[in-house]
Amino acid sequence: GAVVSQHPSWVICKSGTSVKIECRSLDFQATTMFWYRQFPKQSLMLMATSNEGSKATYEQGVEKDKFLINHASLTLSTLTVTSAHPEDSSFYICSAIAGPYNEQFFGPGTRLTVL
Amino acid sequence: DAKTTQPPSMDCAEGRAANLPCNHSTISGNEYVYWYRQIHSQGPQYIIHGLKNNETNEMASLIITEDRKSSTLILPHATLRDTAVYYCIASWPTGTASKLTFGTGTRLQVTL
Repeated sequence: GAVVSQHPSWVICKSGTSVKIECRSLDFQATTMFWYRQFPKQSLMLMATSNEGSKATYEQGVEKDKFLINHASLTLSTLTVTSAHPEDSSFYICSAIAGPYNEQFFGPGTRLTVL
Repeated sequence: DAKTTQPPSMDCAEGRAANLPCNHSTISGNEYVYWYRQIHSQGPQYIIHGLKNNETNEMASLIITEDRKSSTLILPHATLRDTAVYYCIASWPTGTASKLTFGTGTRLQVTL
């Protein structure tokens, strides 16, 4: 199946700093990528839909100025958590659509810890 | 996306078939049934999907009832590495509309 990578796999930062997470489709081009967040012992929650060459579409309740998404190429989408706070600590997962039935293939996730 | 209902947890002995049910009684005609699983601290993994016919691949089989209101994912010979949370999702397979809404899933524990 299609391979999606994320970098970094984990990051620890101080409160108030910004953190950038990269999501790459390694063997295919992805016009659309998705960003999810998962808190401990909870399910994945969709944050936003990232579209190559256009603005991201955010889910209700997700602050677009806090979670900046850039999808500048067909293989790379980035999520920047600006002015991170401890409550932003979570597991961030991206996915990309591939295949004839638009199956989603997920990255391995990035664990963010804000001190 | 149509709402799906799954049992919160199931156990299965290694080597036996694991049958994971999913109820999606409000599924619309063009929505597919997708199954994903998430092993602890990893990103979800695509397993299989179907519209109305039964499907089989190298990982699993998907049985969809004739009225499409429910389905069953079958892992024919479960191994310890199949221990994971399994998510059943009804979704449209078209571009940005194919965003997935994850429920709470079924936590499958495979034991010796």
